[in-house]
Parts: sequence; structure tokens; C-alpha cells
Amino acid sequence: EADIYQTPRYLVIGTGKKITLECSQTMGHDKMYWYQQDPGMELHLIHYSYGVNSTEKGDLSSESTVSRIRTEHFPLTLESARPSHTSQYLCASSVRGFQEGYTFGSGTRLTVV
Amino acid sequence: AQTVTQSQPEMSVQEAETVTLSCTYDTSESDYYLFWYKQPPSRQMILVIRQEAYKQQNATENRFSVNFQKAAKSFSLKISDSQLGDAAMYFCAYHNAGNMLTFGGGTRLMVKP
Repeated sequence: EADIYQTPRYLVIGTGKKITLECSQTMGHDKMYWYQQDPGMELHLIHYSYGVNSTEKGDLSSESTVSRIRTEHFPLTLESARPSHTSQYLCASSVRGFQEGYTFGSGTRLTVV
Repeated sequence: AQTVTQSQPEMSVQEAETVTLSCTYDTSESDYYLFWYKQPPSRQMILVIRQEAYKQQNATENRFSVNFQKAAKSFSLKISDSQLGDAAMYFCAYHNAGNMLTFGGGTRLMVKP
């Protein structure tokens, strides 16, 4: 049973629409991450957070934004969706330290038409 | 910067046979963890096995085991008695203090009945 939840699982939306991808975790993890997974399945970090009110951009430039108002919640927003935003988005969380790895959500597959 | 390389984009194995997935990494650190993650089609990415760099003994988890060669910076995954449910993308990852989890490009494993 997943301890990190992403909704929706699948989303098809028109160009120009504003969307928010939800991510919540029940493990009390301080750190949370958003990855974009391309068709070749490679993972690209687009945002991360080390705690409440802390957000940073990742390695891959993204037009999306994130917020971290509560420890358990890390939503990702696209103000104006474009076809180039079509991708799989994975949310993950981790404890402090590096021994445990990350726990991943089931992902949101976004299609912008 | 740390890098992780998976040189096999795709592998296939006959059901009940053994397969080994390769992973090499580059780091100047001595204290780190290595991980193998499994991502089945349209499903959540899960942690398969992890290895602490200071431990010489290779980690095992049921049918999954690793061959960790620290000097060679190699971390291969062996799957014994392959099952249809093992078909997935497999990602090797590296993590050390003060840095993000670094993923390899992934290996798609196909299991033939």
C-alpha cells in the first residue's frame, strides 16, 4: 500500500488550461521531490523541497511551480499547459540522510492536447 | 558530480533463468549508498535492494542480489529464477550525504514465458 499518493493518475487537458498535480505523503518525510519522466523513461528532477516553505528548482528547467505549505503536501502547478508538458510526473519523498532512498508515488500521466 | 551509467537499455531473459543488469558509477566519496529500483509498466517505482558502500558483503533480497565491486565502482543486479512479474524498468541509483539521489538511465527487462 502506497504511503505517497498522487492524483490524478491520468489527465488529458487542453492547451492553455491551468492544472495542479497533487502529491501527499503520510510518512512525515521532510524532503519531497518532483521528477519528469520522458518517453525514454529517464528521470529528470524538476523541483524539490527540504521542508515547509522551502522549494528549489531541479536540474531540468520546468515551467511548473511548486509549493510546500504543509509537510505532507507538495503540489505541482502548470499555469498554462502546452503539448510540450505532456509527460509522466513522479512525486517522491525521503527522510533526512541518504540511507533509505526515496519512496515514490504512482505517478501522473499528463497529456496536453 | 556523481554519475550513474546503465549500459544496457534493454535486456531479456527466459522465465526461470537468471539475468544480470549492469551499473557503474563515478564518485570521489567513500560513504554512500547504492540502490536498485523497479518500475513496472504503469505502476509505482519500488525499492528492490540497497547496498551500503562500507559493507563488503553483497546485499540479497530473496531472488535479488547484487555484486558490489567498490574499487571498480560497479553495482550489478542479479535476478534469479526470473518471473513474468519481474518485467519492468530497473533503475540503478547512487546517494551520498549532501546530494540528491542520482539515477542511471534505466534498463528495460523483458521476461519471456
